[in-house]
Amino acid sequence: QKEVEQDPGPLSVPEGAIVSLNCTYSNSAFQYFMWYRQYSRKGPELLMYTYSSGNKEDGRFTAQVDKSSKYISLFIRDSQPSDSATYLCAMSAMGGNYQLIWGAGTKLIIKP
Amino acid sequence: DVKVTQSSRYLVKRTGEKVFLECVQDMDHENMFWYRQDPGLGLRLIYFSYDVKMKEKGDIPEGYSVSREKKERFSLILESASTNQTSMYLCASRPGGGVNTEAFFGQGTRLTVV
Repeated sequence: QKEVEQDPGPLSVPEGAIVSLNCTYSNSAFQYFMWYRQYSRKGPELLMYTYSSGNKEDGRFTAQVDKSSKYISLFIRDSQPSDSATYLCAMSAMGGNYQLIWGAGTKLIIKP
Repeated sequence: DVKVTQSSRYLVKRTGEKVFLECVQDMDHENMFWYRQDPGLGLRLIYFSYDVKMKEKGDIPEGYSVSREKKERFSLILESASTNQTSMYLCASRPGGGVNTEAFFGQGTRLTVV
């Protein structure tokens, strides 16, 4: 079993829809949770970052962490065709070498 | 503006060739990483380095080696390229000092081994 599970999709939704992207994890020591966005033929870029449990909002994007369920989510409101990309979750724990553990990435397609 | 630069966007190599992938960062980061990315498998860590001349194996080091002679440069070497090493290779760098630091990626090198 992978430490971080993420459905690779693709997930196809119409423009304007609310998108929900999710990851589950097994290591209860994870405390920092990140979402990266990767456009086609580009490297991933950090989109949002949260610590421990709770919500964080940035414009149309909301990141949510539920440590009790070991579940994180990224919500995109009023989705746009420019949001079409692969979204990767990543997480890390205190101690050790602070390695980032990655999900497989979900390919999101927003249809005009 | 932070930058991680990979030497090639696209490479085509023959089976058995020795292949060098170069990565340079201009952010004075301690940590550098090489990943390969395949559909459905996400990012898989090949090697990482937390200091000059230091290296650690990642999850899939077989068939690869690395070199870090200077802080800003991290090279990935395919000793004898094989077709199952056809993939997207991503280099990343990250500051030291904590779990909450952002990783910065290069544009990637799409390697095809024929």
